[in-house]
Amino acid sequence: EAGVVQSPRYKIIEKKQPVAFWCNPISGHNTLYWYRQNLGQGPELLIRYENEEAVDDSQLPKDRFSAERLKGVDSTLKIQPAELGDSAVYLCASSLMNEQFFGPGTRLTVL
Amino acid sequence: AQSVTQLDSQVPVFEEAPVELRCNYSSSVSVYLFWYVQYPNQGLQLLLKYLSGSTLVKGINGFEAEFNKSQTSFHLRKPSVHISDTAEYFCAVSAGDQAGTALIFGKGTTLSVSS
Repeated sequence: EAGVVQSPRYKIIEKKQPVAFWCNPISGHNTLYWYRQNLGQGPELLIRYENEEAVDDSQLPKDRFSAERLKGVDSTLKIQPAELGDSAVYLCASSLMNEQFFGPGTRLTVL
Repeated sequence: AQSVTQLDSQVPVFEEAPVELRCNYSSSVSVYLFWYVQYPNQGLQLLLKYLSGSTLVKGINGFEAEFNKSQTSFHLRKPSVHISDTAEYFCAVSAGDQAGTALIFGKGTTLSVSS
C-alpha cells in the first residue's frame, strides 16, 4: 500500500514569493491534515479536511495561507506571500479512524 | 484544552541499555494517546497508540508504553536500545474524542544511542 505522497520535498524561495505544496493521501482515507513543524518543535495543525470540507482551519493564517482539497482526494497548501517565519517542514497526513499516517514532508526555506 | 509535555528534550543512552521517555498530558475529554518516531528528513511513523482497554500498550520495534490515568502519564519504554533507535520521539494526544480529530504534539525528545 502506497503511503502519503508529498511534493516537493524541498523548496527554497525568497520572501514575498508564492509557494505551493501538494499532498496525495492514502487511498480511501477521508480525513486529511496539514501540519507545520518548526525547527525543534512538534507538528502543529494548520487545517483538517473531511472529504472536501475543511472542518478545522482555526490555526490557518488566512491572510496568506490557503488550502484546497478538490474531489476529496489530493490537497494543495499555498502561501502567498511567504515570510521569513514560514520556514518550516509542512507535513501532510491522512487517517482512517484513529491512526494518522504522515508523509515525508516538504522542507520550506524562505530567504 | 489538551496539552502534552515531554519532560526530557534529550536522552543519551548506551546501546543495549534500557530507556524511558517521559510524557505527561492534560485532557478534558476521553484520552487517545500516541507515540511517533521521526528519523532525519522523514515523516512521523506511529510506534504505538492507546485508545482504550489495557493500560500497557505494545508497539513496533520492541517499544511499549503504559497509560497511567491518575498520574496523567504515558511514558515510552524499551528494555534494550539499538543504535538504529536514534531518532526524535513525539508524544501526542488527540484534540478531541471523535475519530479523525487532529493531534496535539509535545516538543519531542531526542534519543541518542551510542556504542
